[in-house]
Amino acid sequence: EPEVTQTPSHQVTQMGQEVILRCVPISNHLYFYWYRQILGQKVEFLVSFYNNEISEKSEIFDDQFSVERPDGSNFTLKIRSTKLEDSAMYFCASTRRTGENTIYFGEGSWLTVV
Amino acid sequence: GIQVEQSPPDLILQEGANSTLRCNFSDSVNNLQWFHQNPWGQLINLFYIPSGTKQNGRLSATTVATERYSLLYISSSQTTDSGVYFCAVEDSQAGTALIFGKGTTLSVSS
Repeated sequence: EPEVTQTPSHQVTQMGQEVILRCVPISNHLYFYWYRQILGQKVEFLVSFYNNEISEKSEIFDDQFSVERPDGSNFTLKIRSTKLEDSAMYFCASTRRTGENTIYFGEGSWLTVV
Repeated sequence: GIQVEQSPPDLILQEGANSTLRCNFSDSVNNLQWFHQNPWGQLINLFYIPSGTKQNGRLSATTVATERYSLLYISSSQTTDSGVYFCAVEDSQAGTALIFGKGTTLSVSS
């Protein structure tokens, strides 16, 4: 079964450093998402991306965050200057949005900011 | 925005017991999915169920869209069923993002 893949699975970074999280969505999917989950809390929506542009973003997705689809397969989340409170699991997800609109999630990238 | 409430927040069961998890949502939805988050943090798709009833082995789910709730049934629970169960919905009046509830933490002991 096709799956969403994410790298890295874990990353530890110094406060103030830039981080790029990478995702390869399922190949025939058109909508891509990033979510985050702070330890012990619920999963929160960050941003959705369709047709090479942001279609929706939450209040969490401020100027320190950006997303990009640099080629036909990768989808990246960049955090420009990490803060301690950015420590979380970051999930990438994708969907076709035709027929059954199941959204499929990757295994997540654990980010620890020290 | 749409509100998603899950109950109970915590559930402790003996292996073999049955359980029902509930998800209430405050507005009409285009999409409703149930997920199981395992101890490694992975979100496993259980059901895509904006309406109706589906079954997959020991798990089944029912969504009554007109009354704005969904139920997840787990029968003959096993220790591997432990983890957090999330309900997530897509608000039909908003964008395509899934909005998650806070989850039900299930612990099954042998």
